[in-house]
Amino acid sequence: GESVGLHLPTLSVQEGDNSIINCAYSNSASDYFIWYKQESGKGPQFIIDIRSNMDKRQGQRVTVLLNKTVKHLSLQIAATQPGDSAVYFCAEINNQGGKLIFGQGTELSVKP
Amino acid sequence: GAVVSQHPSWVICKSGTSVKIECRSLDFQATTMFWYRQFPKQSLMLMATSNEGSKATYEQGVEKDKFLINHASLTLSTLTVTSAHPEDSSFYICSARWSGRRGTEAFFGQGTRLTVV
Repeated sequence: GESVGLHLPTLSVQEGDNSIINCAYSNSASDYFIWYKQESGKGPQFIIDIRSNMDKRQGQRVTVLLNKTVKHLSLQIAATQPGDSAVYFCAEINNQGGKLIFGQGTELSVKP
Repeated sequence: GAVVSQHPSWVICKSGTSVKIECRSLDFQATTMFWYRQFPKQSLMLMATSNEGSKATYEQGVEKDKFLINHASLTLSTLTVTSAHPEDSSFYICSARWSGRRGTEAFFGQGTRLTVV
């Protein structure tokens, strides 16, 4: 596989604060990026996506930023809530075969 | 969003036996399905890409004879772990993408926890 098999970094925030989760992607040919949320024992859940011709996209309480120069993605969660506690993965799809490849992931813990 | 159903959600089997996991897209047609494996506290590792009516494409290091993938219809793909051993114990997840639309989001099943004893 192409994803990195390292243990997950963690981010701990206070309820109500904003969270920023970062991701470095590997393939400069990737043209579509997705953030997923995964709760324990479940499959990933779509949060927000962005195409390579954009550098920012906003959803409800979430914003994704894309910096193609340094191959970096970030997910910003506003007013983080306890229900946001989960593991967050970025994923990329390249324009050569269309495989969906996951990044390392970050475990977000929200303290009440 | 679209629904992908994965079955079973968990299974315990004896070493040496085979286990089949099903992945169904319930309300859309999926020409492409992906199979992933996930160890605790790690990311999802792509095992293979399954295209309806053709052979699956396996990632480097994944044994195609051990992890048999069949994508017989636009709504069903199966992963069979043959002659399972304890090191095959893992969380297996499938995902499916809208038919004919590359570069769009993929929908995920709820995963299957396989324990080989």
